[in-house]
Amino acid sequence: GQNIDQPTEMTATEGAIVQINCTYQTSGFNGLFWYQQHAGEAPTFLSYNVLDGLEEKGRFSSFLSRSKGYSYLLLKELQMKDSASYLCAVSSSGYGNNRLAFGKGNQVVVIP
Amino acid sequence: NAGVTQTPKFQVLKTGQSMTLQCAQDMNHEYMSWYRQDPGMGLRLIHYSVGAGITDQGEVPNGYNVSRSTTEDFPLRLLSAAPSQTSVYFCASSYAAGTGGSPLHFGNGTRLTVT
Repeated sequence: GQNIDQPTEMTATEGAIVQINCTYQTSGFNGLFWYQQHAGEAPTFLSYNVLDGLEEKGRFSSFLSRSKGYSYLLLKELQMKDSASYLCAVSSSGYGNNRLAFGKGNQVVVIP
Repeated sequence: NAGVTQTPKFQVLKTGQSMTLQCAQDMNHEYMSWYRQDPGMGLRLIHYSVGAGITDQGEVPNGYNVSRSTTEDFPLRLLSAAPSQTSVYFCASSYAAGTGGSPLHFGNGTRLTVT
């Protein structure tokens, strides 16, 4: 089955930059998503990559290397409100119909 | 535009009881899915559907049933609740399960406790 791996927790200072990594193994890769989830809330969409390279959206950037099964999410100019869990999700068609599977998430704690 | 509506928000069941978690979306999304989220386990896919009349098992389907008789609705049934099913459940939908960059839209979640 799919295997999606993320480190579990990191702490960073307000204004800093953090990089959150995601590695995956899957069949029939259709794209990779990053979501943000605040405690007690539903995940919300941040970014999408299907081709190799960097996608930039304001303070957030996401990178994909399909050959390495690797993605990262870069958070710049960290703000307190960025304290959340960051989830990567892989869309694939190798297990029957298209589906989206998530990694375990990476908890980012921003301190003053 | 309501998006994805999940009910109930909270539920307490006794072991062996059955219940249905409701999910409805008004965005004409073909893809709908159910996830459970447990501490340290991330979001795990229970069942999903790529259109009315089609359902598939995800990573953790045992103990759950689904049906998709309409595009809008995708209920999740717990047949005989067990304490291991205590979790937060999310329903999510999208146009095409992520192909073409269509992101998942999530409901607000259901916190289920089985005693």
